[in-house]
Amino acid sequence: SQTIHQWPATLVQPVGSPLSLECTVEGTSNPNLYWYRQAAGRGLQLLFYSIGIDQISSEVPQNLSASRPQDRQFILSSKKLLLSDSGFYLCAWSATYPGPRVASNQPQHFGDGTRLSIL
Amino acid sequence: ELKVEQNPLFLSMQEGKNYTIYCNYSTTSDRLYWYRQDPGKSLESLFVLLSNGAVKQEGRLMASLDTKARLSTLHITAAVHDLSATYFCALPQEGGSEKLVFGKGTKLTVNP
Repeated sequence: SQTIHQWPATLVQPVGSPLSLECTVEGTSNPNLYWYRQAAGRGLQLLFYSIGIDQISSEVPQNLSASRPQDRQFILSSKKLLLSDSGFYLCAWSATYPGPRVASNQPQHFGDGTRLSIL
Repeated sequence: ELKVEQNPLFLSMQEGKNYTIYCNYSTTSDRLYWYRQDPGKSLESLFVLLSNGAVKQEGRLMASLDTKARLSTLHITAAVHDLSATYFCALPQEGGSEKLVFGKGTKLTVNP
């Protein structure tokens, strides 16, 4: 079965410090990978989306970046954190979309999340 | 641009009662997802709805999809405290996309 691991679970960082959050998926190949952020009491915002190694699209302008150095590894980074970067960060994976005439019947599967507090 | 609206955003109900959460969306879509999030936790997939008229049930929760009305409902039957959570609907950003747009969520509190 497929599993998704995300770490760390909690992180407290000072403003201006760097960030690295890691996510790995097991039990599947060539997954689509996603990074979301959820601000307190709000919905999910898609930050990055990847369909393959080194293939990443950024959904919102920000001081965060993402990398996918291996098929099942997705990393969220920042060189200098801002107060506004606080939130709950979720990594997710989904099976590769089968095609335009075949609707995917698989949902996205989420990791346990990282709660990031910027001081 | 796809807009997804859920209502209500907050719902407080008594155990044993029935209620419905609504998810309206602005553009046509070939599928819709419902997720549950417990406080401080991640999202758990509940339902995947793929076609007009699709209905899926799991325990006290039943989800349906009306693609013509661009509406999905999540019906709660005889609520119990364990159903207290935030419920999100989500749809693909555009046809064929795997990028999802989420509603703001409905925070459900079931009181004894």
